[in-house]
Amino acid sequence: AQRVTQPEKLLSVFKGAPVELKCNYSYSGSPELFWYVQYSRQRLQLLLRHISRESIKGFTADLNKGETSFHLKKPFAQEEDSAMYYCALNGGATNKLIFGTGTLLAVQP
Amino acid sequence: GAGVSQSPSNKVTEKGKDVELRCDPISGHTALYWYRQSLGQGLEFLIYFQGNSAPDKSGLPSDRFSAERTGGSVSTLTIQRTQQEDSAVYLCASSSHLGTEAFFGQGTRLTVV
Repeated sequence: AQRVTQPEKLLSVFKGAPVELKCNYSYSGSPELFWYVQYSRQRLQLLLRHISRESIKGFTADLNKGETSFHLKKPFAQEEDSAMYYCALNGGATNKLIFGTGTLLAVQP
Repeated sequence: GAGVSQSPSNKVTEKGKDVELRCDPISGHTALYWYRQSLGQGLEFLIYFQGNSAPDKSGLPSDRFSAERTGGSVSTLTIQRTQQEDSAVYLCASSSHLGTEAFFGQGTRLTVV
């Protein structure tokens, strides 16, 4: 079965500190993984996807198939990074886009 | 063109009434998804459409929930005999084809009193 786990409901850091938002997945095939972000009073939007292997707003995420993880990282958090972050998985066979429960990132000044 | 549009933005209904939520996807997008967002529950998958067909309805919480899509475009999510636990934000998303970036609507906030 497809499953996405985000163990932290809330992550609070100070501005300038490193950030790592954890995401683990369960899927027997080759998944596509995404990070979506929802800023206050805005729509949910794509932040990055693993196949692009790009850095967006300073965030990166590496797919680790051995650990079935796709953690989101940023070396120096900014206050404007405060938002709700969702990890998502698309299992190609089922074509179902499944989300984790989300992590609220709060960056303190 | 315009993004994904959902209507109404807010809906307050009495327990036991039926409600219909509408989603207008981005033109040309073949895949359409419905999710429910509740506090502390994250994004709960409800159903997705590929064209007009729904290959997976397993996420619908009960038989009071149904959804349809016509003309490969507009979709409606219907909740019959609403209950207080149905109160949530219902999100719709569309993508050009399955597996690609999903674009979300602003959601419909449903409150059952």
